[in-house]
Amino acid sequence: GQNIDQPTEMTATEGAIVQINCTYQTSGFNGLFWYQQHAGEAPTFLSYNVLDGLEEKGRFSSFLSRSKGYSYLLLKELQMKDSASYLCAVRRDDKIIFGKGTRLHILP
Amino acid sequence: DTGVSQDPRHKITKRGQNVTFRCDPISEHNRLYWYRQTLGQGPEFLTYFQNEAQLEKSRLLSDRFSAERPKGSFSTLEIQRTEQGDSAMYLCASSLGQGRGEQYFGPGTRLTVT
Repeated sequence: GQNIDQPTEMTATEGAIVQINCTYQTSGFNGLFWYQQHAGEAPTFLSYNVLDGLEEKGRFSSFLSRSKGYSYLLLKELQMKDSASYLCAVRRDDKIIFGKGTRLHILP
Repeated sequence: DTGVSQDPRHKITKRGQNVTFRCDPISEHNRLYWYRQTLGQGPEFLTYFQNEAQLEKSRLLSDRFSAERPKGSFSTLEIQRTEQGDSAMYLCASSLGQGRGEQYFGPGTRLTVT
């Protein structure tokens, strides 16, 4: 089976840093994605980790520990436009299994 | 704009009617996926194609749902005898069949069954 857990909602302040955690238990694993989804829009690709460690891309970084079944997405210098849902997703062969997403609210 | 298009963007139908949605993927992508998403949930996998071959269907996909990709380019998703529980956003995504395998999503078709 598969289980992907992430917090339902988080709130942070503009300019601050926020870390969104994700734990997974899946019957197969070929990599982990993070997607961003603004309300009423389609998900857009943010990052991909297949090996353990930190991948940095501008204000966003993603970390993976395969032995712990754990990942996080780190957002720095938060901007109001970062208000969105963040979806943790596991690649299993040709498919991607999505978590329910974390709705991030940014306060001015 | 990811390059994946879906039509229509919104569909309101009465219970019992049939509906068909279309997805045009990025032209060089050989994989095409259909998902369903309801409020507060992540996208749920429905089915996917490699070229024209339908390789997997979710158990969520009842026999009222059928999908085709006849020439390995655009795809259609048909729902017969719609029910109120079918109300959702239907998302299409495409990917290259190699590398990271990230999927690029279309804007979705929002279905409301009254």
